[in-house]
Amino acid sequence: DTGVSQNPRHKITKRGQNVTFRCDPISEHNRLYWYRQTLGQGPEFLTYFQNEAQLEKSRLLSDRFSAERPKGSFSTLEIQRTEQGDSAMYLCASSRESSPLHFGNGTRLTVT
Amino acid sequence: DQQVKQNSPSLSVQEGRISILNCDYTNSMFDYFLWYKKYPAEGPTFLISISSIKDKNEDGRFTVFLNKSAKHLSLHIVPSQPGDSAVYFCAATRYHTGTASKLTFGTGTRLQVTL
Repeated sequence: DTGVSQNPRHKITKRGQNVTFRCDPISEHNRLYWYRQTLGQGPEFLTYFQNEAQLEKSRLLSDRFSAERPKGSFSTLEIQRTEQGDSAMYLCASSRESSPLHFGNGTRLTVT
Repeated sequence: DQQVKQNSPSLSVQEGRISILNCDYTNSMFDYFLWYKKYPAEGPTFLISISSIKDKNEDGRFTVFLNKSAKHLSLHIVPSQPGDSAVYFCAATRYHTGTASKLTFGTGTRLQVTL
């Protein structure tokens, strides 16, 4: 169990630029989740995959956000035309069915 | 609308004493509850969970109590140790079809265990 891996750990970008984050889940986990955490708040659900199928999306996930999980392995989260309000910690988690979520260490995004 | 609330942003406890962290929820559809611990610069780590069919679950020094009628749960840590100093998040979900997918988190309580 090597844990959930997220890259990059930190990303600083200018407003209006596109960014992409990657998440590598624990290998035997078929479920993958993206959460966002802002200062002083708990993680907020963004979206969830079972294998390669995206099963649920939060209304927090505007049309500037897109997540993919090709072949049911790693996942990417892309934010287009970033805004300062997108600055947050983006957390990825994975799980088997009926097991608790295992989180990665997150990608901290700063939009200047 | 904050469906899971942790009303104490911080808590300080002496080493060896009991730490009690509280959590309230408003959504009566929630039937599975979890506690996560988070150290700085790390992701949350699962600690303990409880299903709504139970009122207590214990794992070593950690015990979670659930009061469904009050929509309240608490995490007890006995005895508290300096390594327990972290932010603790309460989370809730509907455990339908045998899975726990979307978690709703509280805002966290920062626990400091002093010597």
